Order: sequence, then structure tokens, then C-alpha cells
Amino acid sequence: DAMVIQNPRYQVTQFGKPVTLSCSQTLNHNVMYWYQQKSSQAPKLLFHYYDKDFNNEADTPDNFQSRRPNTSFCFLDIRSPGLGDAAMYLCATSRGGGGGPYEQYFGPGTRLTVT
Amino acid sequence: LAKTTQPISMDSYEGQEVNITCSHNNIATNDYITWYQQFPSQGPRFIIQGYKTKVTNEVASLFIPADRKSSTLSLPRVSLSDTAVYYCLVPPGRSSNTGKLIFGQGTTLQVKP
Repeated sequence: DAMVIQNPRYQVTQFGKPVTLSCSQTLNHNVMYWYQQKSSQAPKLLFHYYDKDFNNEADTPDNFQSRRPNTSFCFLDIRSPGLGDAAMYLCATSRGGGGGPYEQYFGPGTRLTVT
Repeated sequence: LAKTTQPISMDSYEGQEVNITCSHNNIATNDYITWYQQFPSQGPRFIIQGYKTKVTNEVASLFIPADRKSSTLSLPRVSLSDTAVYYCLVPPGRSSNTGKLIFGQGTTLQVKP
């Protein structure tokens, strides 16, 4: 089945130690999104890629970066994680282009713990 | 992007119909109305989307009045497995390359036996 895969499902990192979360998709969608969801809060969009074009949300901290080496993969890099970055990180994909909005397909998320 | 307001929580019993209303007073002409469902420790899942009047699929119905300033998600005959958070969103439509989603607080629906 076509899907959005996130690895790992659980990640523990130390305060200040860089960490990378990965997302892959078999849907061949143009657009890939990264959301942060803290406990009992709604998902918050960090940034998205439309093909190779990166679109950062205005309030996303510089500590968060992303890479999309090809259509299928997208990475979230947290350069110096703080305790406040502990959260569920959700990757999503959708078709793009005029004629939307298109349904977003979410992965299961990676739960990040910062110690 | 249009801001949405919905009840923080709702309770229901198995077998009942549940209606969740969302207010989006400053919805733009180009915006659609979209609902997602999220279970604990899972990513959100698309339920239904519409622009005006009524949309129905195998899971839910979406009612949108003529002024489009509110919408109602209707879940027929809920079961315990419908216990989840339901998000109402208003992403931009056809003029946008991406349907960027800005999530509001959502409605936590608790279905009781």
C-alpha cells in the first residue's frame, strides 16, 4: 500500500545533540510537510517543500532545518535540541498544483524525547 | 488564513449522531472547509472536505450554509472507535499550489458505551 513512513518512531536525544528525523513516501506526491505536535496541542506546521522549493513558516525557529534530496525522502534536522523541542514530529504529503486543496496523508509520527 | 473556532470537547453515546460545529467568520472566497480526525499517538487523517451546501461520504456529512461562515460535521451512529480529536480547517483552494493546513485547537469527542 502507498504510504508515508517515518523513522524512527521513537527517538531519544541529549540536550544540544543534533538529531535527524526521516520521512519517506511511496505516494509520489509533490508536497511534503513537517509538523510539530506537543502534548495536548494541535499540530503546528514548521515548513513544507513543493517539489524542491522550501517554504519556511515565519515562526519556525532557525534550530529546525529540512532537506529533501529527492521526491521520496524528506529529513528534519534539529541542530541543537532543547527540552522544549520534545514533541511528536509528523510528516505529511499531498499532491500540489492548482485545483486543490488536496488531502494530506500523514505518517505515524516520531516521538522525540530530549534528556 | 481563516481562523476557526470549535468546541473544545463533546461527549456522546454509542449509536447517536454527533454534530460538531465550526465557526470560520473570515473565510475567504477561495477557501475550502476540511475536517481531519486524530487518534492518540497517530497522525491526523482526512475525513471530508467541501466548499458549499452539503457533502457526504462513507464516513461523515458536512453541512455548509450559504454564507459559509460556519460548517457542521455530522457523524452518524458513532461507536467507541470514533473517540478522537476532530479538527476543522480552512485551507486555500484552487489559487494555491499547496493546501497549507493551520490547525486550531480541535474538538475532543468522547464516545461512551
